[in-house]
Amino acid sequence: DAGVTQSPTHLIKTRGQHVTLRCSPISGHKSVSWYQQVLGQGPQFIFQYYEKEERGRGNFPDRFSARQFPNYSSELNVNALLLGDSALYLCASSPRGLYSPLHFGNGTRLTVT
Amino acid sequence: DAKTTQPNSMESNEEEPVHLPCNHSTISGTDYIHWYRQLPSQGPEYVIHGLTSNVNNRMASLAIAEDRKSSTLILHRATLRDAAVYYCILRSPQQRSGGSNYKLTFGKGTLLTVNP
Repeated sequence: DAGVTQSPTHLIKTRGQHVTLRCSPISGHKSVSWYQQVLGQGPQFIFQYYEKEERGRGNFPDRFSARQFPNYSSELNVNALLLGDSALYLCASSPRGLYSPLHFGNGTRLTVT
Repeated sequence: DAKTTQPNSMESNEEEPVHLPCNHSTISGTDYIHWYRQLPSQGPEYVIHGLTSNVNNRMASLAIAEDRKSSTLILHRATLRDAAVYYCILRSPQQRSGGSNYKLTFGKGTLLTVNP
């Protein structure tokens, strides 16, 4: 079975630009979460979507937004990029269930110059 | 979110058992203990989880203290492929309607080095 796929794998942007990151969950998984991982730190929760609705939001500015499509794939959008947005962005999917494990993709490495 | 405390790093030799400790003194009665690991250049990978009883799966064992204030992830025979950052995470039940509604709160984890 295909795992969680994310695109692109690497991306370089300039301060002030906009970026869109994409995620395809494991087939049958309806929940998608996004995490930001800065070098040397653990991942930090950004958003969770379930059945196309936002179900959770972390402590990130409004420049960060996301959406989930009818096929359960998801996009993370970041506007007005700052140098501090440079990080690994991870997407995770999970089946229904309060304690179901999350399945992570290998992330998109975003560098802001 | 309840907090966990893990050593920054640990070292082991190949084919020897590894015991990775985690303290979670403020755990609540409904919090599950989850372990994930992150290999270099990869996303985190689920390892195991439990509530009160010790748990075993093909990857590892989880030993939970009777008072639930600490737990230990046990790798029975470490291999070079087990070198990773291991995260101990507490998961709290949130909204139950409509399916899963949760987030994982990662700390810095324990960097496990396995020597050949």
